Amino acid sequence: DAGVIQSPRHEVTEMGQEVTLRCKPISGHNSLFWYRQTMMRGLELLIYFNNNVPIDDSGMPEDRFSAKMPNASFSTLKIQPSEPRDSAVYFCASSTSGRDFEQYFGPGTRLTVT
Amino acid sequence: AQSVTQPDIHITVSEGASLELRCNYSYGATPYLFWYVQSPGQGLQLLLKYFSGDTLVQGIKGFEAEFKRSQSSFNLRKPSVHWSDAAEYFCAVVSYNQGGKLIFGQGTELSVKP
Repeated sequence: DAGVIQSPRHEVTEMGQEVTLRCKPISGHNSLFWYRQTMMRGLELLIYFNNNVPIDDSGMPEDRFSAKMPNASFSTLKIQPSEPRDSAVYFCASSTSGRDFEQYFGPGTRLTVT
Repeated sequence: AQSVTQPDIHITVSEGASLELRCNYSYGATPYLFWYVQSPGQGLQLLLKYFSGDTLVQGIKGFEAEFKRSQSSFNLRKPSVHWSDAAEYFCAVVSYNQGGKLIFGQGTELSVKP
């Protein structure tokens, strides 16, 4: 299995631009999680999906952030417009709910907003 | 609400020395507990997990952890640290009433002296 796949691995953009981060979960996993990691705030859960349905988006910072999961094998996290304070590493993780809850993490996308 | 505390932000040990990273959790019932490791520039990798049964669990890379209900702790240990163990370590507990999402501690950064 290829594991959780995230793209791009690195993204540099200017303030005000739209940014889209992509994630492909492990085949057969039905839960997907988006995290943000910064030095100041550590690892934060932004949103998670179960069977493609958003369950808890209470961690999404503000309306500039949105996430979708149109099917079981793909999810996006969009920031529009982006701001310098959005600079962070964004991780996607997937798991099989109802079993051992182990989450498998992708390699992350390092986002820099200038 | 469930919570996880890792009291040590940064620990430095000499190569070959033993290691113990502390983790305390707050949870009413028997918790599902995890330790993850994050090497620089990488995603999180599962080291070990505890669900039930034997309170001493073995993981990858020679790590082990012991669940102590009386102390609400799940400390990570390794008898002899290698330079490649330098990384950040995260303890996490499953939040059952939130769809199985993980509650992470703040992380402990481990440095290894030659």
